[in-house]
Amino acid sequence: QVTLKESGPGMLQPSKTLSLTCSFSGFSLSTSGMVVSWIRQPSGKSLEWLAAIDWDGDKYYNPSLKSRLTVSKDTSNTQVFLKITSVDIADTATYYCARSRIPLEWGQGVMVTVSS
Amino acid sequence: DIVMTQSPFSLAVSEGEMVTINCKSSQSLLSSGNQKNYLAWYQQKPGQSPKLLIYYASTRQSGVPDRFIGSGSGTDFTLTISDVQAEDLADYYCLQHYSYPLTFGSGTKLEIK
Repeated sequence: QVTLKESGPGMLQPSKTLSLTCSFSGFSLSTSGMVVSWIRQPSGKSLEWLAAIDWDGDKYYNPSLKSRLTVSKDTSNTQVFLKITSVDIADTATYYCARSRIPLEWGQGVMVTVSS
Repeated sequence: DIVMTQSPFSLAVSEGEMVTINCKSSQSLLSSGNQKNYLAWYQQKPGQSPKLLIYYASTRQSGVPDRFIGSGSGTDFTLTISDVQAEDLADYYCLQHYSYPLTFGSGTKLEIK
């Protein structure tokens, strides 16, 4: 059974760096073709794809945020990380991680509030 | 980036009726290599994560009821829900998975009268 779970700080101040972790089980990111994406959703709004990392370590970013995003994975291929630098109020959202290029299984999401 | 334009913003129907949701992409999602359209549909119920309904424009994900039908090709796509049930109350999103960055439509809110 594939499961994913996001974790993060809950709340942080503007200009800080947001660090998120996606912990998963039921698959290995080292399997050829595997991809884990990060997607966010402000309350009441649509979904925005942020970044992805694949089994080969290749990374893909949303150009609108690329300068602020860093996606990485751990050496055991059971966690994926996302860092967003210089956050502001507009980064307040629920952040999801999802498995595969066509996001199939999603985590429950973690709410992040940026507020002073 | 490929822009996805989704309509309508919302709709309200009675149980048993049929609904159609449209999605238009700013460029073709049809792959010349495999003749597949890289378009997916998601359902997001209140308080839940999105659930994949349809991919490659018309392939129903395992376990999805056959009243959910995806169609279209190139730049114009449709999600049809026949015989709407109360449990179909949700937001629906299209997603192009043709190229990075993946992009979603703005969403359609389905309400049940």
